[in-house]
Amino acid sequence: AQSVAQPEDQVNVAEGNPLTVKCTYSVSGNPYLFWYVQYPNRGLQFLLKYITGDNLVKGSYGFEAEFNKSQTSFHLKKPSALVSDSALYFCAVRDDYKLSFGAGTTVTVRA
Amino acid sequence: ETGVTQTPRHLVMGMTNKKSLKCEQHLGHNAMYWYKQSAKKPLELMFVYNFKEQTENNSVPSRFSPECPNSSHLFLHLHTLQPEDSALYLCASSQSGTPDSATNEKLFFGSGTQLSVL
Repeated sequence: AQSVAQPEDQVNVAEGNPLTVKCTYSVSGNPYLFWYVQYPNRGLQFLLKYITGDNLVKGSYGFEAEFNKSQTSFHLKKPSALVSDSALYFCAVRDDYKLSFGAGTTVTVRA
Repeated sequence: ETGVTQTPRHLVMGMTNKKSLKCEQHLGHNAMYWYKQSAKKPLELMFVYNFKEQTENNSVPSRFSPECPNSSHLFLHLHTLQPEDSALYLCASSQSGTPDSATNEKLFFGSGTQLSVL
């Protein structure tokens, strides 16, 4: 069974609007959760992680993510999207001492 | 620039060829990884090396053969590949090299080698 799911292949938003990229997970024990971003022709870059502590995690480039234990979710958010945020976003979760990635969500921010 | 360099950026090979992918990291990390990225599929972990020792082989076919001569260099030797092996192959590294390091530290990725098998 897949440990992490990204239910949307694509998310399209207008510049200046809020951006949300959804992620749900399924692991036993306390989850370690990550978001990575991949810009065109580049490798993945770390955005943020949740290990413990505050449910709202702040990361790079103005992104944040909210850990919700009851809904087993870790959605990525940005209050005001930029065209330069257009990229492929991956959610990942620690699963039995391995890092399992989702299939990715392509974000397109239109001017 | 992430400090992880992969060469070549693009590779086209026939099913009978032998080629190698190279990865080098200048971060002083102790763990290195190979991942396979196919469109619309989760990233697949292939191999993990900690302090030059292979600690993970995620049921990868033997036509893929990794080599880690030192903590800074990682190779993926390819032979008799299949068209379904066409993908982006990503190398990554992380700091501590413990079995836990991939799961509580951030990974630094290279830009990948786009492989096409004809």
